[in-house]
Amino acid sequence: RKEVEQDPGPFNVPEGATVAFNCTYSNSASQSFFWYRQDCRKEPKLLMSVYSSGNEDGRFTAQLNRASQYISLLIRDSKLSDSATYLCVVILAHISGNTPLVFGKGTRLSVIA
Amino acid sequence: EAGVAQSPRYKIIEKRQSVAFWCNPISGHATLYWYQQILGQGPKLLIQFQNNGVVDDSQLPKDRFSAERLKGVDSTLKIQPAKLEDSAVYLCASSLADVSSGNTIYFGEGSWLTVV
Repeated sequence: RKEVEQDPGPFNVPEGATVAFNCTYSNSASQSFFWYRQDCRKEPKLLMSVYSSGNEDGRFTAQLNRASQYISLLIRDSKLSDSATYLCVVILAHISGNTPLVFGKGTRLSVIA
Repeated sequence: EAGVAQSPRYKIIEKRQSVAFWCNPISGHATLYWYQQILGQGPKLLIQFQNNGVVDDSQLPKDRFSAERLKGVDSTLKIQPAKLEDSAVYLCASSLADVSSGNTIYFGEGSWLTVV
């Protein structure tokens, strides 16, 4: 089982739609969770952190379910500018003390006019 | 504030040739990372430095890849000899300290490598 798994998509949605992305992780000792956004031929950029209590930033809501080892990202009122690949990122706990970022393959979103 | 700088942006080489990528992290960032991102996949960590020491190089193919950060600032990643499967974007990133402490990681624009 891969450490971080995402539905690769693509998700093609009309402007104004609500879309949800899911991500599962295999290591129950994982410490921290993030969503990154990557535009075509650009570098990944932090979109938001994911907390156990859930967090919201404008049209974006991220949630974490530790029991199910599941992370979600909800985008409301989709804009054309939301078109990108959304990467689920997990910080694993390492015995050595190092805590690398592990990326999922990403879910591609295309918002259509 | 200047971001993570990488060069060259694009490189095309033949298999079995060598290539080197350079990275200048954000000023003051102690932690530096090299990631490999193959088309259609997420970035995969190759090596992580803390100042000039290697923290994690468990996924670096050491028979052909090498990296150094001699003075704890700039870093170079070298591939010799290159294989077709090395075609990817090589992303350098930096953070103030280890990300487990809540530090954000910032990526450079990447160096695009095509091996033909």
